[in-house]
Amino acid sequence: DSGVTQTPKHLITATGQRVTLRCSPRSGDLSVYWYQQSLDQGLQFLIQYYNGEERAKGNILERFSAQQFPDLHSELNLSSLELGDSALYFCASSTLGTSQETQYFGPGTRLLVL
Amino acid sequence: GESVGLHLPTLSVQEGDNSIINCAYSNSASDYFIWYKQESGKGPQFIIDIRSNMDKRQGQRVTVLLNKTVKHLSLQIAATQPGDSAVYFCAERDSGTYKYIFGTGTRLKVLA
Repeated sequence: DSGVTQTPKHLITATGQRVTLRCSPRSGDLSVYWYQQSLDQGLQFLIQYYNGEERAKGNILERFSAQQFPDLHSELNLSSLELGDSALYFCASSTLGTSQETQYFGPGTRLLVL
Repeated sequence: GESVGLHLPTLSVQEGDNSIINCAYSNSASDYFIWYKQESGKGPQFIIDIRSNMDKRQGQRVTVLLNKTVKHLSLQIAATQPGDSAVYFCAERDSGTYKYIFGTGTRLKVLA
């Protein structure tokens, strides 16, 4: 158990809908990362937050957005969902979000868009 | 790139042998590299990392080698055990954008 929690574990929804994925980092970690893992493209970095501020942006679509709240939990919002958005979404956390730190991954949210 | 899952390259090794998993990267601006292990149904788990100013780093039963000249990273696992069976990913971090780029992964199968 990494100490990172993600909810829900599974999510099934329809095209065009909007969903919110939630992540609670390890106690004391200030930085949160979001990743998408699909069969087609492997593990893709989406976005990183540090203490509420966006720090780095990866291959995140405009239909997706994220934020980190004052209590340091983070949410990833996916809207206008398409079939291709079906994937595992992982959250990871690290203490300061610097390059020398270990990232601890949560168990993931499996999203299925029908 | 290659797909994860059914189309992953696979390395099969006998239990007790050493395993070497390779990764090529292309970004000259990457200054930090990580190896992750992902077991079925779980999130990636950190194994070992290395900064670009190093060429070798050792952990417990694992060693990472970095060759910046040819942009190559390898993970060596000594005395491979059944519990090492998993998919292994390398990742690089761009020093300018802080973006992380992951390799496609290699599936390691340990034969008893």
